[in-house]
Amino acid sequence: RKEVEQDPGPFNVPEGATVAFNCTYSNSASQSFFWYRQDCRKEPKLLMSVYSSGNEDGRFTAQLNRASQYISLLIRDSKLSDSATYLCVVPGTGNQFYFGTGTSLTVIP
Amino acid sequence: EAQVTQNPRYLITVTGKKLTVTCSQNMNHEYMSWYRQDPGLGLRQIYYSMNVEVTDKGDVPEGYKVSRKEKRNFPLILESPSPNQTSLYFCASSFGGSSPLHFGNGTRLTVT
Repeated sequence: RKEVEQDPGPFNVPEGATVAFNCTYSNSASQSFFWYRQDCRKEPKLLMSVYSSGNEDGRFTAQLNRASQYISLLIRDSKLSDSATYLCVVPGTGNQFYFGTGTSLTVIP
Repeated sequence: EAQVTQNPRYLITVTGKKLTVTCSQNMNHEYMSWYRQDPGLGLRQIYYSMNVEVTDKGDVPEGYKVSRKEKRNFPLILESPSPNQTSLYFCASSFGGSSPLHFGNGTRLTVT
């Protein structure tokens, strides 16, 4: 089983829609979780950090479900500029960082 | 401005010609790491470093070398590049532990 798994999508949603992505992780001892946004051929940029049950920043909400070992990212009122790939990153033991393969989102006018 | 700087952004080279990609960070981060990103495979770790003179292999270290002589710099060395090392490379740094990674803006390498 992979350390971190994401549904690759693609997710194609209309402007204004609400969309949610899930990310499952295998290490039950993980304490921190990160969502990054990556635009085509550019570096991943930190979108949200999750250290407890969840985090909210404007239209973006991240929630952690420790029992089922997944974190979700919810985007409300989608904008065209939200089109990107969203990466789930989980620090592991031995100072490794484990990456999901990313979920592709396209917001359609 | 806090940042991770990689150079060059684009590099085209031929098989066997040694090259170095530089990475520098100004955030006093202990942890630095190199990744390659290929379509359908996501980000894969090449090497990482916990501090000066401390480096370890990641998931795909073959064909690469690194050094960490100073805290701020973590160059990636390809002694004899091959076409299968054509990829998009990212350097990243962090305070480690539960702190997030900060990425450089990438180096697109083509080996012919």
